[in-house]
Amino acid sequence: GAGVSQSPSNKVTEKGKDVELRCDPISGHTALYWYRQSLGQGLEFLIYFQGNSAPDKSGLPSDRFSAERTGGSVSTLTIQRTQQEDSAVYLCASSALGIGTFGSGTRLTVV
Amino acid sequence: GQNIDQPTEMTATEGAIVQINCTYQTSGFNGLFWYQQHAGEAPTFLSYNVLDGLEEKGRFSSFLSRSKGYSYLLLKELQMKDSASYLCAVGNNAGNMLTFGGGTRLMVKP
Repeated sequence: GAGVSQSPSNKVTEKGKDVELRCDPISGHTALYWYRQSLGQGLEFLIYFQGNSAPDKSGLPSDRFSAERTGGSVSTLTIQRTQQEDSAVYLCASSALGIGTFGSGTRLTVV
Repeated sequence: GQNIDQPTEMTATEGAIVQINCTYQTSGFNGLFWYQQHAGEAPTFLSYNVLDGLEEKGRFSSFLSRSKGYSYLLLKELQMKDSASYLCAVGNNAGNMLTFGGGTRLMVKP
């Protein structure tokens, strides 16, 4: 597609359940980022993929968070045993030459 | 590491000019980006500076001084629709990773 696609757009889950968030980047973009944004807050970096290099996972807040990028394209962010503090909008961006294009995000609500 | 600072909130009047400042400290600078984010929406790209000086794009201009670790976004002829958060981001030459500041929430009043 023409833009970055994220699914689902909204997810409500019970505390303790696992969730998977998907990001389909712009074709040909080698860089892919995941960010988290709580209400009224800035963007919190989570993880960064660049080509075939090892991902930069320095922003993942705990070992309950993991992400994969298969075939250098689609990425999934997995949150295990969700907690209420995980509630936020999870934004994915892809970029070529550094200029990132964002998806519309997944709004995650943990109840 | 990266450290990016910008004011949390600003208020301006419709038709006026506003300047949003951003200071940064980084290892391996590879460009300064400004994004606009309306409430409930994803950030959208506004401007990119990699060399010192002013880049003008319509009502929006962005300035960079690499020696001072300083940038600003200038918005002219403010319109109500300019009410949004403005995010400053720094690109790192270790793979062009983008690190964002906390954003400046701009409120434009009539």
